[in-house]
Amino acid sequence: LAKTTQPISMDSYEGQEVNITCSHNNIATNDYITWYQQFPSQGPRFIIQGYKTKVTNEVASLFIPADRKSSTLSLPRVSLSDTAVYYCLVATHNTDKLIFGTGTRLQVFP
Amino acid sequence: NAGVTQTPKFQVLKTGQSMTLQCAQDMNHNSMYWYRQDPGMGLRLIYYSASEGTTDKGEVPNGYNVSRLNKREFSLRLESAAPSQTSVYFCASAPGDPPGEKLFFGSGTQLSVL
Repeated sequence: LAKTTQPISMDSYEGQEVNITCSHNNIATNDYITWYQQFPSQGPRFIIQGYKTKVTNEVASLFIPADRKSSTLSLPRVSLSDTAVYYCLVATHNTDKLIFGTGTRLQVFP
Repeated sequence: NAGVTQTPKFQVLKTGQSMTLQCAQDMNHNSMYWYRQDPGMGLRLIYYSASEGTTDKGEVPNGYNVSRLNKREFSLRLESAAPSQTSVYFCASAPGDPPGEKLFFGSGTQLSVL
């Protein structure tokens, strides 16, 4: 199973773009990369998933380089409500054993 | 459409007591999961079930048992609760393909073992 490494915490200000990078050096060919957001006292919520290159939805963008050994979640123009913990999850197609990393605690200031 | 429903929301146990946490999903998902989250920490996988009739150990299975009663329900049992099991427990479900896509989480059960 691919192990993920993320920064423990990040700070930002409202209106800025935030990029959170996740390292997954031993990612396998069939692995997908998924990001989740968790607010205090709630379960995580799916944000975005990708396999390679770039994926964008109404909430965020996910950038994956050609070697796929890392990925970057990009949150455009963050607001106070984006303060949360963000988890990168690498999941292989061959198993349903989904193990989360330690996550990145994002604090957005006014 | 309720999604993933967990009961109870709060529970206080004494050391040595047993209890079962219930989880049900109404999305016809194949995969179901139990995670625990200690204060200020990340999620740790206890057990998971890739399909009805199958269960597998996660990262921290000791002290727990699970039952995939049917496709909808996945219960977690603590046979003899210990203070180290004080945590928030989350149940989740997912379609199962591709793995990791759109895990849906319940609202959690806050368990305190005294």
